Amino acid sequence: DVKVTQSSRYLVKRTGEKVFLECVQDMDHENMFWYRQDPGLGLRLIYFSYDVKMKEKGDIPEGYSVSREKKERFSLILESASTNQTSMYLCAAISQRGSGYTFGSGTRLTVV
Amino acid sequence: KNQVEQSPQSLIILEGKNCTLQCNYTVSPFSNLRWYKQDTGRGPVSLTIMTFSENTKSNGRYTATLDADTKQSSLHITASQLSDSASYICVVSAKTGNQFYFGTGTSLTVIP
Repeated sequence: DVKVTQSSRYLVKRTGEKVFLECVQDMDHENMFWYRQDPGLGLRLIYFSYDVKMKEKGDIPEGYSVSREKKERFSLILESASTNQTSMYLCAAISQRGSGYTFGSGTRLTVV
Repeated sequence: KNQVEQSPQSLIILEGKNCTLQCNYTVSPFSNLRWYKQDTGRGPVSLTIMTFSENTKSNGRYTATLDADTKQSSLHITASQLSDSASYICVVSAKTGNQFYFGTGTSLTVIP
């Protein structure tokens, strides 16, 4: 199985800070995704990337940007963190065949 | 509209008892359906994947069923254990465009 690693399990940041969430996968998969997960709302897609330097907006891209300079790494950037971005962030990767996601362990971000 | 609905939203059962979680979907054209288990504070982990031609698939004490005609799936947990306490998420993929649709999950609590 592909392994997806998120660099931090827990993060606490101040309002207005620039925040980087890193995600690395080890199976050369083309597609990578960033979700946030909130109680009662399930998983919502922020951004995804289907190749190096390629990115597509998901359902809730406002306040976020992404970077994919290398195939194995997909970064989520909060340009100016706000309290409503307090959430669990999940990264996922999938092969071009599309048989299913593999998720990272998640990053619990708290913005104070 | 492609949607995935799960029920119940939450469930509390006694250790050792069985339970069944439901997933109804309207995704078309259907490719496959996955059940994920998500422990608190962690990323989702795949339990089973069901394709169109599969009716039943087991993974230890977890048994998933799929009725592609009625677009319903269930996840049956036998002889529940405290470690089964988690959220269970149903994810349906469409054949076109690498589209994935998430249910909001069922929160299961197993009590001694």
